Amino acid sequence: AQRVTQPEKLLSVFKGAPVELKCNYSYSGSPELFWYVQYSRQRLQLLLRHISRESIKGFTADLNKGETSFHLKKPFAQEEDSAMYYCALRGGGGADGLTFGKGTHLIIQP
Amino acid sequence: DSGVTQTPKHLITATGQRVTLRCSPRSGDLSVYWYQQSLDQGLQFLIQYYNGEERAKGNILERFSAQQFPDLHSELNLSSLELGDSALYFCASSSDWLEANEQFFGPGTRLTVL
Repeated sequence: AQRVTQPEKLLSVFKGAPVELKCNYSYSGSPELFWYVQYSRQRLQLLLRHISRESIKGFTADLNKGETSFHLKKPFAQEEDSAMYYCALRGGGGADGLTFGKGTHLIIQP
Repeated sequence: DSGVTQTPKHLITATGQRVTLRCSPRSGDLSVYWYQQSLDQGLQFLIQYYNGEERAKGNILERFSAQQFPDLHSELNLSSLELGDSALYFCASSSDWLEANEQFFGPGTRLTVL
């Protein structure tokens, strides 16, 4: 069974400090990993996906198959980064929904 | 709004009742997904439809069913409601069901079962 674990329910950092949101997964095949974000009063939206290897809003995430992790990082946090962040996995093949972690509430303090 | 729309926004009902939640996907999207978000279980995938056909099933209870109509809108039917069914129900759509396509989420329907 596939599973996504986000160990931190809440993460509070100061503006300008580095941010790392942890995500570990368990899946027997080759997964597709995503980070979704939900800003206050907005709908859930895709932040980035591992296959595109791009940086969005200064965030990056590297898939580490050895450690089964997909941590989200940003070198310098900004106040507008405050939001709920969800790590998600989809099994290879496509015909399936996303398996989400329980989310991390990121608060950036001024 | 050309994004995913869901109606109603809020729904309050009693145990034992039946409700229908509606979702309209983004223009051109053929695939629709339903998710349930509760405090204890988090966001869970329920079911996926593609162009009118069921494609994948997740943790969907037998009391729940869904369908996708020819105009591509989808409905999620919840019956014999229990207190534990109180949750946010999200619909998402994507252009197709192939690998790594982005799913666009709707604003959700908040269901309260009293």
